[in-house]
Formats: sequence, structure tokens, C-alpha cells
Amino acid sequence: GAVVSQHPSWVICKSGTSVKIECRSLDFQATTMFWYRQFPKQSLMLMATSNEGSKATYEQGVEKDKFLINHASLTLSTLTVTSAHPEDSSFYICSASYQGKQETQYFGPGTRLLVL
Amino acid sequence: SQQGEEDPQALSIQEGENATMNCSYKTSINNLQWYRQNSGRGLVHLILIRSNEREKHSGRLRVTLDTSKKSSSLLITASRAADTASYFCATAQGAQKLVFGQGTRLTINP
Repeated sequence: GAVVSQHPSWVICKSGTSVKIECRSLDFQATTMFWYRQFPKQSLMLMATSNEGSKATYEQGVEKDKFLINHASLTLSTLTVTSAHPEDSSFYICSASYQGKQETQYFGPGTRLLVL
Repeated sequence: SQQGEEDPQALSIQEGENATMNCSYKTSINNLQWYRQNSGRGLVHLILIRSNEREKHSGRLRVTLDTSKKSSSLLITASRAADTASYFCATAQGAQKLVFGQGTRLTINP
């Protein structure tokens, strides 16, 4: 149980284009979803926290206009990297938690983004 | 900013040996969690220990927490090749927000 999927698993795009990454909770209703960014051989950095039906809360230093997060339903959150640049190349991981067990986050498999 | 620091950054041992990883943190916590990440993949939740607990077991995993020293350790006994991965500690400071340590890259040699 508590499976989270991400799509796509990897994406290559040209500089200046926008990329959308989906995060889905497959067998539970995710009251909260989180988006992380991870550079090679480094730790996870929380980008934002989103609750279903409300605006995401962004961490300090994360541009909300560049990283658009939508949590329209209890099973789906999307991260859109707008006007991507090579420095946005990274591994993006989402996680989700559900009411009653909010202390534990269940992670998706990640999406590797390469901006050329 | 990252709160946790893990030690060692990398660890290489022989299969069957025990592996110990340490995590230190700076502020008060509600709980501390350990996760495993295989190369290029997402994280798998291993174990959660609350601030009022001192030790917890799960299979071959043993986690200790010393809130006075703001530190935790993860022990993997009788290691297997499949245990090769990066291990992260994460501290919960608020209701849900997790702050991850830098991780320990564990390699189990057959």
C-alpha cells in the first residue's frame, strides 16, 4: 500500500520550454504532497508543500512563478517548470502523506529533468 | 537549509558485516526518520522514532535516538548486497515538514 507514481520518469527539453511533472497517489488519498529537488550525490531539498485545494507553500529561495505547483485533487499534484534553463536540470521527487499517518511521507520514484 | 549531518559520508563493508550510520541534528524535533534511496530512485521509508523513544527495531534495522546529544544512529545487521544504497535521516520539525541529512552512501561488497 501507499504507492506514489511520477510521470514522466525522465524528460529532456530545450531551454525556454516548460515541463510538467505529475505525481499521483495510487492507493490512498494524499491530503498533502511535497516536492523535492535533488542534485547528484546530494540530499533532498524541499521546494514546496501543497494541500489539496489550496495554494502551495514554497520554501525560501524557491521561485513560485518558475515552479508552479497544482494540487487539484486528492490523488494528483503537478509541478510545472516554466521557461526551463540548464540550471534547472535535476532530479525532482514528490512525496505524499495521508490523514491519520501524516508523519510518514511516501515517495515517488523521481523524475530526471535535463534541460539542453 | 539542511539540518542533519550524517557520518560517515560513505561506507564500504563486506557482506555479512554490520553497518552503522550516524546522524546529528541541531534543533528540537518531533520525530526522526530514516530513508533508503537506491541509485536514481525515490526514497523508501525505513523507520520512524519519536522524540520520546530511545531505541527501535525493525527486522535487521536498529535505530537509536539520543535527544540530549541530538543524534541518532542506524544499524544494519548481517548486511546483504541488496542493502547497497544511500541512507538519509530526516527530522520532523513541524507537523509534517522533513529536513534531510546529507546521506551516507553504503556499499556492501560480496
